Amino acid sequence: DTAVSQTPKYLVTQMGNDKSIKCEQNLGHDTMYWYKQDSKKFLKIMFSYNNKELIINETVPNRFSPKSPDKAHLNLHINSLELGDSAVYFCASSPGLRGTQYFGPGTRLLVL
Amino acid sequence: DAKTTQPTSMDCAEGRAANLPCNHSTISGNEYVYWYRQIHSQGPQYIIHGLKNNETNEMASLIITEDRKSSTLILPHATLRDTAVYYCIVRVGRSQGNLIFGKGTKLSVKP
Repeated sequence: DTAVSQTPKYLVTQMGNDKSIKCEQNLGHDTMYWYKQDSKKFLKIMFSYNNKELIINETVPNRFSPKSPDKAHLNLHINSLELGDSAVYFCASSPGLRGTQYFGPGTRLLVL
Repeated sequence: DAKTTQPTSMDCAEGRAANLPCNHSTISGNEYVYWYRQIHSQGPQYIIHGLKNNETNEMASLIITEDRKSSTLILPHATLRDTAVYYCIVRVGRSQGNLIFGKGTKLSVKP
């Protein structure tokens, strides 16, 4: 069983479109995260949710909106996609804010 | 910014121990040292973490100096599958929990 899963694995879309990436964890964790890894391979936190509440919202354009329908899911919706949004997006989860984080396999987004 | 400094790259012969150093001279007393690795754009994989004492698990050992200003991750018998980018991370903040990744060390295990 996959602990942290993401869908889709690959996403190719046109500029200006709106898209969503889904994340699910079956570890029973109450904290989930979104990270972005750009073309230079830097991995950076975007958001974190604890018990469905937003805890961290780094300097991310408001075109990015995370939504946590329950503790096992954290989805990322992106409006008006831009070329610079092309990256790999990783979801992670942890047991509490200080627990060890476990990452999903990533969603490779390419904006044309 | 990352609070750690690591060499950009290292090589290791297959079957030998891989020793990956990390400097974290500004670490605070309640901050843990975490190690993750990323194999060819897969999701980062947790390896080990520690506060003061040396730690060992099925993947690796973590040696932290007494002054806590540096640490070494040891893979006792490196295999080709251990080729990856290894990140040493100082966990910041008691409430936020976010990991700040630096550039890491690209470890190449060679036959």
